[in-house]
Amino acid sequence: GENVEQHPSTLSVQEGDSAVIKCTYSDSASNYFPWYKQELGKRPQLIIDIRSNVGEKKDQRIAVTLNKTAKHFSLHITETQPEDSAVYFCAARGLGNTPLVFGKGTRLSVIA
Amino acid sequence: EAGVVQSPRYKIIEKKQPVAFWCNPISGHNTLYWYRQNLGQGPELLIRYENEEAVDDSQLPKDRFSAERLKGVDSTLKIQPAELGDSAVYLCASSRASNQPQHFGDGTRLSIL
Repeated sequence: GENVEQHPSTLSVQEGDSAVIKCTYSDSASNYFPWYKQELGKRPQLIIDIRSNVGEKKDQRIAVTLNKTAKHFSLHITETQPEDSAVYFCAARGLGNTPLVFGKGTRLSVIA
Repeated sequence: EAGVVQSPRYKIIEKKQPVAFWCNPISGHNTLYWYRQNLGQGPELLIRYENEEAVDDSQLPKDRFSAERLKGVDSTLKIQPAELGDSAVYLCASSRASNQPQHFGDGTRLSIL
């Protein structure tokens, strides 16, 4: 089955700097890659997703890139703000009705 | 639109007791998921419903866990009897279809004493 590895497990950046979180996946048939943000005690919120037919997607300060050959995808947050502090999860899903498999999460701290 | 609603938000029980969680998905979402999230980990799928049919329950510990979605809308997840290792957050999610983005509820935090 699919296996998703996420790095780093913790990340601290200064306010205004960029943050990058990387994930690798094992199933070359995976075609959908969402990213979720989870604040303490709250629900995971979908912040951006990408499908395998595109290499990059942007939404204001966040972007996701996908390298199908290397089987990795990354989340980029620019001009970080304290409210970006949270745990971020990547996930991958294969073809058909295979389940969404999550990484173990990255705890991002933005220091004011 | 209203999000996924779960209740209760917190539950504390003694081991060997039964417990049930309830989920109301986003209106019009045919696919419903139950996940378990252990501390410091990502969500792990327990069961997926397409309308009222459970189409993926391979990760559900069937000796003690059960779920139902009788009318294809609300769903309940039950544990009987609960064990210490069941302490976790139980998340419900829904999507319009299985290939569409999933949206999560706030979860039920279960603590077993």
